[in-house]
Amino acid sequence: KAGVTQTPRYLIKTRGQQVTLSCSPISGHRSVSWYQQTPGQGLQFLFEYFSETQRNKGNFPGRFSGRQFSNSRSEMNVSTLELGDSALYLCASSLDGSGYEQYFGPGTRLTVT
Amino acid sequence: AQTVTQSQPEMSVQEAETVTLSCTYDTSENNYYLFWYKQPPSRQMILVIRQEAYKQQNATENRFSVNFQKAAKSFSLKISDSQLGDTAMYFCAFMGRGTSYGKLTFGQGTILTVHP
Repeated sequence: KAGVTQTPRYLIKTRGQQVTLSCSPISGHRSVSWYQQTPGQGLQFLFEYFSETQRNKGNFPGRFSGRQFSNSRSEMNVSTLELGDSALYLCASSLDGSGYEQYFGPGTRLTVT
Repeated sequence: AQTVTQSQPEMSVQEAETVTLSCTYDTSENNYYLFWYKQPPSRQMILVIRQEAYKQQNATENRFSVNFQKAAKSFSLKISDSQLGDTAMYFCAFMGRGTSYGKLTFGQGTILTVHP
C-alpha cells in the first residue's frame, strides 16, 4: 500500500498570505489528523477529520481550518499567515481515529517571511 | 487534559548495547493508548510500538519493547542491540479512548544517538 502523501513538501510564503496544504491518506483509512511541529512548541494537534466531518480540534486560532473530501483526502488552510506559523506540518491517517495506529506523511515545511 | 513528559532530552548508546527511554504521562482516563514514534533526520515520523492500556502484557516489536506501569503512569521504551539506524528523535504519545478522536498528545522528545 502506498503511504501517506503530502503536497507540497516545501513552501515559502509572505506574512499576510494564505496557504493550502494537502494530504492523501493510506487507502482505506478514513481518519486524517493534522499536527504542527516547531522547535519551541513541539508537536501540537491541529484537528481531525473523519467522513468529511471535523470531530476534534486543538487550541489553534480560527485562521487554521481544514476539510476532508469524500475520498478521505484532506486539506488544511492557514489564512493571514504570521511569522510564527513557520513550521513542519504533518498529517497522519488511521483507520478510524479511535486508537488505531496513526501513520504519518513526510510533512510540509512552511516558511513565512 | 493529558500531559506526556520525557525527562531525557538527549541520550547516547554504543552500537549493539541496550538503552531505555523514559516516559511518564498524566491522565484521569482509564482506557487509552500509548505509542512510541521515531523521527530520524529525514523528519518522517515512524511508528515504533503501540500499547493498549487495558492489556497487561507489555508490547514488543523485534528489538523494541516497552515497560508499561499503569499505576505509576510510566511507559518506557527499551531498544536492544542498538543499531546506527536507530539514531533519531523518539516521541512518546498518548491517545485517550472515547472522544479523543485522532488526537495524539506528544512528549517533548528524546534525541537518541547510536555511536559505532
